[in-house]
Amino acid sequence: DIQMTQSPPSLSASVGDRVTITCRASQSISTYLNWYQQKPGKAPNLLIYAAASLEGGVPSRFSGRGSGTDFTLTISSLQAEDFATYYCQQSYNTPFTFGPGTKVDIK
Amino acid sequence: QVTLKESGPVLVKPTETLTLTCTVSGFSLNNVRMGVSWIRQPPGKALECLAHIFSNDEKSYSTSLKSRLTISKDTSKSQVVLTMTNMDPVDTATYYCVRIRGINQEMDVWGKGTTVTVSS
Repeated sequence: DIQMTQSPPSLSASVGDRVTITCRASQSISTYLNWYQQKPGKAPNLLIYAAASLEGGVPSRFSGRGSGTDFTLTISSLQAEDFATYYCQQSYNTPFTFGPGTKVDIK
Repeated sequence: QVTLKESGPVLVKPTETLTLTCTVSGFSLNNVRMGVSWIRQPPGKALECLAHIFSNDEKSYSTSLKSRLTISKDTSKSQVVLTMTNMDPVDTATYYCVRIRGINQEMDVWGKGTTVTVSS
């Protein structure tokens, strides 16, 4: 199975900060990489698919980039509603696998 | 509007078999380049893919849980069923049913999840 790692595991930031989360795959996955946001007690929500495509209804402050094994999710100006846990996930090979998550909380 | 709804027991005993049903609406399980996944999340832990089933009936399972899982679909009922045998307390988790979309196979619509506790 393809292993996914994320860094950092957690970060503290303030409203208005630029935040970048990194995701790495154990082998090349082209651009078959997706990002999800999960708030406590809720199901995850798709933010970015195919490494860089913004899902409909997702604010443009979210962006993704990368290909091969290295990917990033960037929030250009953190808002109060963005404090959550973020997961990357590969959809290159089944079984699809998730990263361990990055928790973004308030500084 | 696309929705997925999980149903099944809230509590199961160790060694029992868990059967979860996902009822979908707003799309067909025969739609090309679509599928359904079961994902679980133990309390305070990360997401874990359990199984996937696609429109051509292709199936895939978590490598570590493969021997315990079976996924199937009933297109006429718009349902996907997951069975997991020999349940253990470590299987206590929220179980999500999710739609897989398109060539990139992203998970675009999630059910609200159902919490399953394994305890005697």
